[in-house]
Amino acid sequence: AQTVTQSQPEMSVQEAETVTLSCTYDTSESDYYLFWYKQPPSRQMILVIRQEAYKQQNATENRFSVNFQKAAKSFSLKISDSQLGDAAMYFCAYDMRFGAGTRLTVKP
Amino acid sequence: DSGVTQTPKHLITATGQRVTLRCSPRSGDLSVYWYQQSLDQGLQFLIQYYNGEERAKGNILERFSAQQFPDLHSELNLSSLELGDSALYFCASSEAQSGVTGYSGNTIYFGEGSWLTVV
Repeated sequence: AQTVTQSQPEMSVQEAETVTLSCTYDTSESDYYLFWYKQPPSRQMILVIRQEAYKQQNATENRFSVNFQKAAKSFSLKISDSQLGDAAMYFCAYDMRFGAGTRLTVKP
Repeated sequence: DSGVTQTPKHLITATGQRVTLRCSPRSGDLSVYWYQQSLDQGLQFLIQYYNGEERAKGNILERFSAQQFPDLHSELNLSSLELGDSALYFCASSEAQSGVTGYSGNTIYFGEGSWLTVV
């Protein structure tokens, strides 16, 4: 079965600092995409970033970047210069399956 | 605005009742997904339809059923409701099929969800 694992239920970061959220997944496919979604208190699901497995280069979207290790099936999200508005639940996703989420708190 | 429309936004009903949640996918999207999110929980994948056919099934209870119509809108039917069914139900859509036998590369776009409260 295809699974997505987020081992950090909660993380905390100081405003302006950098934080990394971890995710591992399981698949037998060689060509696929991975996603990070953000869910703020409004509960809306917002796509943060996506990574194409066949691309060597890690995806980047402004302050958000990923560290994709295909062999290790690891897909972590790095948030640089954290802002108060980054506080949310973050979900890693592969295909239609989502991890359990990591709640990120940003301290002023 | 993701382009995925869900109705109703909020619904309160009694135990034992039946409700129908409706979803219109983004224009051009053939796949529709349903997810359940209970309070402070993750997203539980329920079911996926692609162009009218069931494609993948997750943790969907037998009391729940779904379908996708020729115009691609989808409905999730929840019957014999229990208190534990209270949750936020998301509909999502993507361009093509994914998972199982398909290409796992389609970005999934979410609606704003339907809040169901069972009292």
